[in-house]
Amino acid sequence: GAGVSQSPSNKVTEKGKDVELRCDPISGHTALYWYRQSLGQGLEFLIYFQGNSAPDKSGLPSDRFSAERTGGSVSTLTIQRTQQEDSAVYLCASSLRDAANYGYTFGSGTRLTVV
Amino acid sequence: AQTVTQSQPEMSVQEAETVTLSCTYDTSENNYYLFWYKQPPSRQMILVIRQEAYKQQNATENRFSVNFQKAAKSFSLKISDSQLGDTAMYFCAFMKKTGANNLFFGTGTRLTVIP
Repeated sequence: GAGVSQSPSNKVTEKGKDVELRCDPISGHTALYWYRQSLGQGLEFLIYFQGNSAPDKSGLPSDRFSAERTGGSVSTLTIQRTQQEDSAVYLCASSLRDAANYGYTFGSGTRLTVV
Repeated sequence: AQTVTQSQPEMSVQEAETVTLSCTYDTSENNYYLFWYKQPPSRQMILVIRQEAYKQQNATENRFSVNFQKAAKSFSLKISDSQLGDTAMYFCAFMKKTGANNLFFGTGTRLTVIP
């Protein structure tokens, strides 16, 4: 597609439920990143994919968080047993392999609210 | 570890005037990249300007320019002839040259351009 697409745009869920957030990167972009933006905070790195593999999972805040990428394209971020502190905007970005030279393209994010 | 500090949570500027947003960072890396991103209410992060650490010349993109002081680890953004459309959150970010190309972000500065 022309840009990075994220769905849903907004999600309200009850504490304890599982949620799945989806990211469709730009076609041909091999690298995909997930970030979390909590209220009043900068962006916090969660996970990075190069193709389908995730060489860096260091940012995932707990074992309730997981992510996968299939076919070198779509990625899903899953949060199990959601907690109120998980409320945030989750941003996805994609890039060609050399992100430093070509830059990232960000999606518009999913705003997750846990009630 | 890399840290990025933006000490101005909020700033305002009159339309057509010039404003400077501050950013400092801490790293033991010698080669890296620095970025300024703009986040309007649409939530999508937009790249404003990029600087390579090994280049002494300050980057410029139209009305946007940076003052990069490598020894001081300072990377400020100057916006000239401010326009109403410049109203947004501005994030300073750091990327290592080697390894995973994830970004380390500051906490942002909310800029308001006053008509």
